[in-house]
Amino acid sequence: QLVLTQSPSASASLGASVKLTCTLSSGHSSYAIAWHQQQPEKGPRYLMKLNSDGSHSKGDGIPDRFSGSSSGAERYLTISSLQSEDEADYYCQTWGTGGVFGTGTKVTVL
Amino acid sequence: QVTLKESGPVLVKPTETLTLTCTVSGFSLSNARMGVSWIRQPPGKALEWLAHIFSNDEKSYSTSLKSRLTISKDTSKSQVVLTMTNMDPVDTATYYCARIRAHYYDSSGYLATLYYFDYWGQGTLVTVSS
Repeated sequence: QLVLTQSPSASASLGASVKLTCTLSSGHSSYAIAWHQQQPEKGPRYLMKLNSDGSHSKGDGIPDRFSGSSSGAERYLTISSLQSEDEADYYCQTWGTGGVFGTGTKVTVL
Repeated sequence: QVTLKESGPVLVKPTETLTLTCTVSGFSLSNARMGVSWIRQPPGKALEWLAHIFSNDEKSYSTSLKSRLTISKDTSKSQVVLTMTNMDPVDTATYYCARIRAHYYDSSGYLATLYYFDYWGQGTLVTVSS
């Protein structure tokens, strides 16, 4: 079964970096994923798509401080130079017979 | 400029049928390799994919909700409609529509497809209560 696993929460100080992890279930380690951001009380926003080799392509207007990387079954989203507006929930997403979402990681900016 | 906007009732009673409409602009529902999905989010919980429809009218539904869902599109009106029957309080959620794009990539030597959501609507909160 295709499942995406995310840690519930992460935090870092203003101006620092934070690295979020999305882990693909066994047998699906070569899958590409997408990352989405959901700021409080807003709809989600597409950030990027990310391949197993770490190559990624960002959506329109996404700042350079958002980047993606991969290692094995893990897909990462790194946010550098954290800003207050980066405080949000971040979801990874892939596709099996339909859309599959991770449970989301809540990022707190200290 | 791509936009999607959900519309429908704010409140429905248990056992009623919910009908939601997604009106899109900035792209055509007949564009190849594009589609629209419905996704929902109960208060304080994660996103849950419900259904999709592609330009060629290919459709698919969440396994757990398949018996209750119907998705359709009217290309001339730029609208995608989702109906969900037999509504229950646990179906209380914000319902989003999102545009689907295709990304082709190498997956262990064969060509695979990631369908991802590149534009989202603002969502519409539907409460199920008597």
